[in-house]
Amino acid sequence: AQSVTQPDIHITVSEGASLELRCNYSYGATPYLFWYVQSPGQGLQLLLKYFSGDTLVQGIKGFEAEFKRSQSSFNLRKPSVHWSDAAEYFCAVVADGGYQKVTFGIGTKLQVIP
Amino acid sequence: GAVVSQHPSWVICKSGTSVKIECRSLDFQATTMFWYRQFPKQSLMLMATSNEGSKATYEQGVEKDKFLINHASLTLSTLTVTSAHPEDSSFYICSARPSRGYEQYFGPGTRLTVT
Repeated sequence: AQSVTQPDIHITVSEGASLELRCNYSYGATPYLFWYVQSPGQGLQLLLKYFSGDTLVQGIKGFEAEFKRSQSSFNLRKPSVHWSDAAEYFCAVVADGGYQKVTFGIGTKLQVIP
Repeated sequence: GAVVSQHPSWVICKSGTSVKIECRSLDFQATTMFWYRQFPKQSLMLMATSNEGSKATYEQGVEKDKFLINHASLTLSTLTVTSAHPEDSSFYICSARPSRGYEQYFGPGTRLTVT
């Protein structure tokens, strides 16, 4: 079964600083990978996804993520963080087949300080 | 595009009553919808997978008689919490997967409080 690890539960960065949120997955084949963002009391918004092809994917709100098969990682990055980026970020993996259930990481809460 | 709505956004009910939550895909057809439960400061827990026109598939530990799921059309799935108890209080989120594609689009969630 697939699994997702987000090693950082809470990250604090200064506004304008760069950001990298880590995500490692465990799955036998090439997974479908996603990053979602959740603001307090809200649902999840899809930031970006990786299915195949170019391993560097661009998403909304200036985010990007890089798929590294050798490291089983799919880290999320942003060169300059804005205060509005403060939220909870979830990495997720979908295994092919069946009902294609999504497995979520535990989430990383991002705090942005002025 | 790819908008999913949920109704109501929050509900308070008395213990022993039933509550129905609707999940709609507004601008696409979804053969599969998912229902999640999220506890405070935790990740999402998949409760069940709902396929249009067939019975839902429940995750281990989820009572199918308590959490009734109906997926009557390609744009609507409902979750009914029957005989609600305070421990059912939670944030319930649905998602919908387009007929083609692997990504899921999430609704804004429903906050259920059982008193």
